[in-house]
Amino acid sequence: EPEVTQTPSHQVTQMGQEVILRCVPISNHLYFYWYRQILGQKVEFLVSFYNNEISEKSEIFDDQFSVERPDGSNFTLKIRSTKLEDSAMYFCASRTPGGPDNEQFFGPGTRLTVL
Amino acid sequence: AQTVTQSQPEMSVQEAETVTLSCTYDTSENNYYLFWYKQPPSRQMILVIRQEAYKQQNATENRFSVNFQKAAKSFSLKISDSQLGDTAMYFCAFFVNAGNMLTFGGGTRLMVKP
Repeated sequence: EPEVTQTPSHQVTQMGQEVILRCVPISNHLYFYWYRQILGQKVEFLVSFYNNEISEKSEIFDDQFSVERPDGSNFTLKIRSTKLEDSAMYFCASRTPGGPDNEQFFGPGTRLTVL
Repeated sequence: AQTVTQSQPEMSVQEAETVTLSCTYDTSENNYYLFWYKQPPSRQMILVIRQEAYKQQNATENRFSVNFQKAAKSFSLKISDSQLGDTAMYFCAFFVNAGNMLTFGGGTRLMVKP
């Protein structure tokens, strides 16, 4: 069964450093998402991406964040200058238009730790 | 903007018994989708069950079923014959095409006791 994959599973970085989180969505999906979950808290929407551009973004998704689909398979989230409060689990998700009940398929997540 | 509320931060149930997790939401939309996701300690997000708002029949998936009350904006999850593997965080989530994002509730931590 096709699945969303994410790399790395765990990233440790120093405050102020740039990180890139990578995702490979399911191949025939057209909508891509990033969500964040700070430990012990709820899952929060960051950004959605469709047709090679951002379609929606939350207040969390400020100028420090960017997304890109550099080729036909990868979908990346870049944090330019990480802060302590960026420590969280980051989930990538994808869906196909008109899929059953608009289900989003989630990857296993990347745990980001900012020191 | 949509909001999703899960009023039970933690619940416990004895193995083989039934438990119901509550979820309410607020929206002005008429057609939307509701989901329950399970998050075990691995923190993977696993879809448990889904419901489209215009479908009056409550969704069921094996031991999992929902009680969808559209007028009351309520979407509770019933787990029958609870198993130890059901121990996890459960998140209720809301999706509307116009917003193109999932809005999650705060989660309910469920512990199934042997």
